Amino acid sequence: DTGVSQNPRHKITKRGQNVTFRCDPISEHNRLYWYRQTLGQGPEFLTYFQNEAQLEKSRLLSDRFSAERPKGSFSTLEIQRTEQGDSAMYLCASSLLAGVGNEQFFGPGTRLTVL
Amino acid sequence: GESVGLHLPTLSVQEGDNSIINCAYSNSASDYFIWYKQESGKGPQFIIDIRSNMDKRQGQRVTVLLNKTVKHLSLQIAATQPGDSAVYFCADRILTGGGNKLTFGTGTQLKVEL
Repeated sequence: DTGVSQNPRHKITKRGQNVTFRCDPISEHNRLYWYRQTLGQGPEFLTYFQNEAQLEKSRLLSDRFSAERPKGSFSTLEIQRTEQGDSAMYLCASSLLAGVGNEQFFGPGTRLTVL
Repeated sequence: GESVGLHLPTLSVQEGDNSIINCAYSNSASDYFIWYKQESGKGPQFIIDIRSNMDKRQGQRVTVLLNKTVKHLSLQIAATQPGDSAVYFCADRILTGGGNKLTFGTGTQLKVEL
């Protein structure tokens, strides 16, 4: 499978715990995006990387959230001191830097449940 | 501000009929629009896109129409099939600093009745 992959697919944690998600983009894609999706809503942009550089962060990304893409390939999203309001689907997408429309291809997501 | 919204939360159609899903956007600076399909438990899947310098684009069984005058986007699905049942999102891109981030609407649930 050459698509975007995310791990784990599901994560259940207790409030106050830290969690880390991983995203592996399509191999030749320079850009990598993180979105959050709550039930019944469309995905909301969190942050994106161009190669290893984090170029933009949404105001939704509080200080408890940190994302990295150290070698310009896979990325991790960490949430510290989780809160019940963090329960959501976390989606990763990747795209080419240049292209007809820079289409973003999404992974299957990691569903986080904070108890 | 930036917002992309959908007119109808749920659309039910008979198998074989054509479906039309509508979307409104608010930012005239948007230069690129995409329709995504999302099935339960899966990430959004790219369907078709259109640039702001076009008003119509066709794919396999799908057509996207863009009316920049009224900031309206629609997705037409011909001969709707049970496999088309999903939530459909429109999204737009505002090219600020080359960010390419997408702003999504809330989605329309398409239900195909046999």
